Amino acid sequence: DTEVTQTPKHLVMGMTNKKSLKCEQHMGHRAMYWYKQKAKKPPELMFVYSYEKLSINESVPSRFSPECPNSSLLNLHLHALQPEDSALYLCASSQVTGGSGSYNEQFFGPGTRLTVL
Amino acid sequence: AQKITQTQPGMFVQEKEAVTLDCTYDTSDPSYGLFWYKQPSSGEMIFLIYQGSYDQQNATEGRYSLNFQKARKSANLVISASQLGDSAMYFCAMSLFYNQGGKLIFGQGTELSVKP
Repeated sequence: DTEVTQTPKHLVMGMTNKKSLKCEQHMGHRAMYWYKQKAKKPPELMFVYSYEKLSINESVPSRFSPECPNSSLLNLHLHALQPEDSALYLCASSQVTGGSGSYNEQFFGPGTRLTVL
Repeated sequence: AQKITQTQPGMFVQEKEAVTLDCTYDTSDPSYGLFWYKQPSSGEMIFLIYQGSYDQQNATEGRYSLNFQKARKSANLVISASQLGDSAMYFCAMSLFYNQGGKLIFGQGTELSVKP
């Protein structure tokens, strides 16, 4: 199984709502990532989890809250978002190999298209 | 600082012809990986090909090949026999292997349109 799944595919929410994005992989990967992508732009890294621990937070506002309940699941909790947070949110996973932590190619999910009204 | 540069915002190619997408990178780290991803309008980022900094031969995967010129710090993607389904955004990316947590540095992308 070489698939990363994301739910929901589309999400529309108001600025006062609380919602969550979900990501799942069954490839045995121990690194998982959240990216934000605006149209015609490259993905921007938000968070990295390595062995279920948060290893990178790219100065993301606290209205985005990541969670990694186990090695296969990654959530992104959303609260009090702004219209400028509307974007495609991509989840990815990768193997971690080698004693020094060599990270291999990332496999991406199909993304969640988020619209904040 | 690490950087990826893709100088072609958009390109057109005739179906069945070959096309080269340019990518140059900048890093002083000797250990790195270079990746190409395809992103159709549906949004999913599809991994195409990988080249490690110590790999002696250019990577190939089916119709995709990576023209790796280390001295020039370039990692161009060559797509042979273009198909209509190749129309998409293509991103070149680099990862420093150690102490970077797997962070991918992306270029700005090249939008490829294949004409029938």
